[in-house]
Amino acid sequence: QVKLQQSGAELVKPGASVKLSCKTSGYTFSTSYMSWFKQIPGQSIEWIGMIYAGDGGTGYNQKFKGKATLTVDTSSSTAYMDLSSLTTEDSAVYFCAEGGRAPFDYWGQGVMVTVSS
Amino acid sequence: DIQMTQSPSSMSASLGDTVTITCLASQDIGNYLSWYQQKPGKSPKLMIYGATNLEDGVPSRFSGSRSGSDYSLTINSLGYDDEGIYHCHQYYEYPLTFGSGTKLEIK
Repeated sequence: QVKLQQSGAELVKPGASVKLSCKTSGYTFSTSYMSWFKQIPGQSIEWIGMIYAGDGGTGYNQKFKGKATLTVDTSSSTAYMDLSSLTTEDSAVYFCAEGGRAPFDYWGQGVMVTVSS
Repeated sequence: DIQMTQSPSSMSASLGDTVTITCLASQDIGNYLSWYQQKPGKSPKLMIYGATNLEDGVPSRFSGSRSGSDYSLTINSLGYDDEGIYHCHQYYEYPLTFGSGTKLEIK
């Protein structure tokens, strides 16, 4: 079955960067898309962007350009998201989900990122 | 960006009731609309896609409909397991956008 396993919670200092991972199994990662989302607890969901594992091609929400960088490692079927120059406004739960646009059937469990000094 | 105006923001209903949640799209999105249920501390679960199509395994008590730019999720015969936050989501164009969510409480 399809599984998306995200890395553990992160506590990072303002100005730092963090790299989140989403390890997949149960489907052909190398010909699939992966999308990433942000959700501040109690608030709505924001789409950050997507990446095509086949060639690393990406598409970003303008709001997150310069903040998020999406990459993949097809050898380990893992997707990554780098978040840079973190501020308290980046404190949120981040999800990965299989797909680039279509309705999202498969999601990671989410990872809480807390930015605090 | 396409704005999805979702209402109500929260609601409380009794076991066995029927409830309806709506989303208004700021521009035409065709039927590129899905609904997700989210439980506390969990990832969203796909319930409806293509505005009216029930995802496999989702009870038939859930249904989606469209009237112009208004999209609705209706839940019949409410049960305790239906508590959670419901999100509408447009995937007609990028950036993908979501409604603000509806928190459903079962009395």
